[in-house]
Amino acid sequence: EVQLLESGGGLVQPGGSLRLSCAASGFTFSNSAMSWVRQAPGKGLEWVSGIGTSDGSTYYADSVKGRFTISRDNSKNTLYLQMNSLRAEDTAVYYCAKVWSGYFNDYYYSYMDVWGKGTTVTVSS
Amino acid sequence: DIQLTQSPSFLSASVGDRVTISCRASQGISSYLAWYQQKPGKAPNLLIYAASSLQSGVPSRFSGSGSGTEFTLTISSLQPEDFATYYCQQLNSYPLFTFGPGTKVDIK
Repeated sequence: EVQLLESGGGLVQPGGSLRLSCAASGFTFSNSAMSWVRQAPGKGLEWVSGIGTSDGSTYYADSVKGRFTISRDNSKNTLYLQMNSLRAEDTAVYYCAKVWSGYFNDYYYSYMDVWGKGTTVTVSS
Repeated sequence: DIQLTQSPSFLSASVGDRVTISCRASQGISSYLAWYQQKPGKAPNLLIYAASSLQSGVPSRFSGSGSGTEFTLTISSLQPEDFATYYCQQLNSYPLFTFGPGTKVDIK
């Protein structure tokens, strides 16, 4: 069974740091791009960051660029999100998601097909 | 940047109703659209990809249509377990994803 399990959330003061982890199982982790998506209390979904496979290319939403760093350890089947200079507006449930990529009807698609249960980050003094 | 709008933001419906949710993109995205369902306190669940393809394991009462800038998610006969919030997501700008603001489907 394909599973993603996030950890590392908690309460942190504004300006502080936190590292989230996402342990993957049930699929070839090294072959899958991955993403982080967050959801502030009572709000919608916001894509935060993504990372490619072999070249490890990284991508960020403007709201976190320069503060968050996504990385992966394929030997440990684990995805990370290092969050620095945290702000109150970063308070959210953070989900990791597996990205399926491939051809369908002659077009190349990438979408999030498996999600973890999420970990809660609260930034408050 | 591609922006997505959804309508309505909220709808109240009864079990057995046919429900339609719209998603509009700020520019053409061909069929690069997905739909997700999210229940309270749970992670999103993929329903539809490539605008109209049903994800494995998703009931056939769910269907998607559209291309370019106008898309629709239809639930042919609403079931009790379908009361949730539905999000569209554009895949055209991958690796940068964008979600719509969501449509909450509630019990009438």
